[in-house]
Amino acid sequence: QLQLQESGPGLVRPSETLSLTCTVSGASISSSHHYWAWIRQPPEKGLEWIGTIYYTGSTYYNPSLKSRVTISTDTSTNHFSLKLSSVTAADTAIYYCARAWDLFNWFDPWGQGTLVTVSS
Amino acid sequence: QSVLTQPPSVSAAPGQKVTISCSGSTSNIGNNYVSWYQQFPGTAPKLLIYDNNKRPSGIPDRFSGSKSGTSATLGITGLQTGDEADYYCATWDSSLSVWVFGGGTKLTVL
Repeated sequence: QLQLQESGPGLVRPSETLSLTCTVSGASISSSHHYWAWIRQPPEKGLEWIGTIYYTGSTYYNPSLKSRVTISTDTSTNHFSLKLSSVTAADTAIYYCARAWDLFNWFDPWGQGTLVTVSS
Repeated sequence: QSVLTQPPSVSAAPGQKVTISCSGSTSNIGNNYVSWYQQFPGTAPKLLIYDNNKRPSGIPDRFSGSKSGTSATLGITGLQTGDEADYYCATWDSSLSVWVFGGGTKLTVL
């Protein structure tokens, strides 16, 4: 059964870089021919797509975040990562990783999410 | 403000039926598949409907999806108190090259 688990610091200082990892179990990110995504949800607000990566390394980013976002894969450890630079309080959110069936289709399953707070 | 418009809240009595609308445009709903997600407080969203009207394995047939033009609808019949959650629609926007989500609808089962 495919499962995803986010991990990383829960507190990041303003102007620094947020770094999160999503560990995938139950499938290989390099051979499953699926896409892998990051989605976030500010407290008490809706969902925002951050970006998606294909197992080949091709990436697709939300234009509103593109200048600050990097998503990458590590096939040796079967995880994919998110880096968001120059964070502000507006980046405080629950960050979810998810499998995307393909670039234009659904997200399933999702990780449990991890809260990242940006504060000094 | 979300690209996809959903009502902030809907409510109905147990056993009744409710529909949740999701309104968009030709660049998103009009030309791409819609998916729906259910989210209970403090938990991750869960896929409820994909490809406009398909249910993943394990999702009861009380849940249904439809699409017409630039709008999509989630239907829930035989409402149960356990259905109380937030529901989100989502699709790809071809003009913006971005995934867009509705603002979410809170379902209350009275």
